[in-house]
Amino acid sequence: GAGVSQSPRYKVAKRGQDVALRCDPISGHVSLFWYQQALGQGPEFLTYFQNEAQLDKSGLPSDRFFAERPEGSVSTLKIQRTQQEDSAVYLCASSLAANAYEQYFGPGTRLTVT
Amino acid sequence: AQKVTQAQTEISVVEKEDVTLDCVYETRDTTYYLFWYKQPPSGELVFLIRRNSFDEQNEISGRYSWNFQKSTSSFNFTITASQVVDSAVYFCALSEGDQAGTALIFGKGTTLSVSS
Repeated sequence: GAGVSQSPRYKVAKRGQDVALRCDPISGHVSLFWYQQALGQGPEFLTYFQNEAQLDKSGLPSDRFFAERPEGSVSTLKIQRTQQEDSAVYLCASSLAANAYEQYFGPGTRLTVT
Repeated sequence: AQKVTQAQTEISVVEKEDVTLDCVYETRDTTYYLFWYKQPPSGELVFLIRRNSFDEQNEISGRYSWNFQKSTSSFNFTITASQVVDSAVYFCALSEGDQAGTALIFGKGTTLSVSS
């Protein structure tokens, strides 16, 4: 079966623009996570969904970051008024059930803000 | 304080050498999970192993083996007879507690380069 997919794979935005990053989790996976990976660093947690409910958004760096998963499947991470420090790879991961711990990652979206 | 420390930033070996990647973690929880992920140049993180805090048995999977020692808070990863295809960044990660949806806390990764 298909793994986690993300689109676009690459995004260049001018500072101040809004961007939307999409994640298609593995079919049937209940849990969905977003992580941010800066160059040369490990991924850092942004937010977590269980089905359509956003249960943890403690990692979102500012109120310019917003995530949704309205039907409990596809998720979108939106960044408003992008800034240069937002440049990073944004990774999406899903896991099968609420009590499952293996997270399966997508290829990421590399965002470059100029 | 950093919760997952991978002290080795980069390691270079020649094919067929054995290599051990170190991971030291810090947590106050008695229930936690440890993970290793591989990130090849394509960028996608590949799950390798999960170990819970109550299971200190070492595990072997083909050329891969893992040594979990609670006494030293370490979860080291050894690749035996390394191959060029093992070249990647390897991340150790920690998940604290036993609640669903707990985020992974990653180390900074170790870049492994295997030359032929």
